[in-house]
Amino acid sequence: EDKVVQSPLSLVVHEGDTVTLNCSYEVTNFRSLLWYKQEKKAPTFLFMLTSSGIEKKSGRLSSILDKKELFSILNITATQTGDSAVYLCATLRYPSGSARQLTFGSGTQLTVLP
Amino acid sequence: DTEVTQTPKHLVMGMTNKKSLKCEQHMGHRAMYWYKQKAKKPPELMFVYSYEKLSINESVPSRFSPECPNSSLLNLHLHALQPEDSALYLCASSQGGAGNTIYFGEGSWLTVV
Repeated sequence: EDKVVQSPLSLVVHEGDTVTLNCSYEVTNFRSLLWYKQEKKAPTFLFMLTSSGIEKKSGRLSSILDKKELFSILNITATQTGDSAVYLCATLRYPSGSARQLTFGSGTQLTVLP
Repeated sequence: DTEVTQTPKHLVMGMTNKKSLKCEQHMGHRAMYWYKQKAKKPPELMFVYSYEKLSINESVPSRFSPECPNSSLLNLHLHALQPEDSALYLCASSQGGAGNTIYFGEGSWLTVV
């Protein structure tokens, strides 16, 4: 059975801190790993990682994938209160045709205090 | 434009009602999805449509009935639901080619009373 495990489950930091969120996986037919940010509504796409060792960056957020050790990290530098959210990691595989199947981890609840 | 539109945003229904959730995307995506998300849990896949055909049904009870009338629309018909079916229902779509991601709509909050 596919497994995606995120840690920590929750994290409380102060504005300006740097955080690292972890995601490890054991899945069959792995294609990519995705990070989403979820506030009160739908998950918002952050990154998709397919190749090992290539860092993806978007502003203060960055992420990297290690396909040998089967994990990914999401870094957020200079955190702001607006970064408070649940961060979801998901693995992607292609079961058939154009369908894509996501397996989500349980998420990391990040709270950034002013 | 990565917009997936869901209606209604909120729905309250009785256990004997029949209602539908609707989802629309105009990105030319060929795969569409329904996910269910309970509070403080990650989304769980319910159904996947690929090229307007149902390709994955994750053992969802028959009181949930998906329909894909065309490549832009996806419906979820609801009948005889239970209070434990109350959740956020998320629609998503993806293009289907190599390396494509999955984009989510804002969800429909369903409460069954």
